[in-house]
Amino acid sequence: GQNIDQPTEMTATEGAIVQINCTYQTSGFNGLFWYQQHAGEAPTFLSYNVLDGLEEKGRFSSFLSRSKGYSYLLLKELQMKDSASYLCAVSDSNYQLIWGAGTKLIIKP
Amino acid sequence: GAVVSQHPSWVICKSGTSVKIECRSLDFQATTMFWYRQFPKQSLMLMATSNEGSKATYEQGVEKDKFLINHASLTLSTLTVTSAHPEDSSFYICSVKTIPDYNEQFFGPGTRLTVL
Repeated sequence: GQNIDQPTEMTATEGAIVQINCTYQTSGFNGLFWYQQHAGEAPTFLSYNVLDGLEEKGRFSSFLSRSKGYSYLLLKELQMKDSASYLCAVSDSNYQLIWGAGTKLIIKP
Repeated sequence: GAVVSQHPSWVICKSGTSVKIECRSLDFQATTMFWYRQFPKQSLMLMATSNEGSKATYEQGVEKDKFLINHASLTLSTLTVTSAHPEDSSFYICSVKTIPDYNEQFFGPGTRLTVL
């Protein structure tokens, strides 16, 4: 079967760095997405990785290792507005998105 | 990225009534549209995939007669929840892909359905 695993909840301090991990087992791989979702809102796109390595975009970076079926989202200089759920999703061989359950990130002052 | 709208943004209805939710792609032609449902504190659950001009493909466990999907044009898809019940109360989100087999999905703002 297809499976995406990520922690249910994480807590971090404002100004700090946090890494949210995602491991996956899917039938085929056409890229991995990270989305941010604030409570009561739709997901918004953060990053896309299809090749191994690190993609940096401002305060957010995303890493992929295809051989390990592993990705992480790194958030630096955390701000209170970063409190949200972070969803990992993998595009399988049919280009269908397989979603993780999401990681709720709580930022404390 | 592509702009996707949904209407209404929220709706409250009585049990047994039908509710129609519209999903529109505003600045491009959407070949494929997806309908998701999200219960509180849970992740997105794909309900169905619809391609313009053809019947929707429903995920296992989703009743096609209860959740009617119409994708009549390249810019509009509708989801009708027929004979809604309180357990259908959820956050319904549509997303679109602009090109078949292209990865990224663009999400609408979602519709909050509350069935009394």
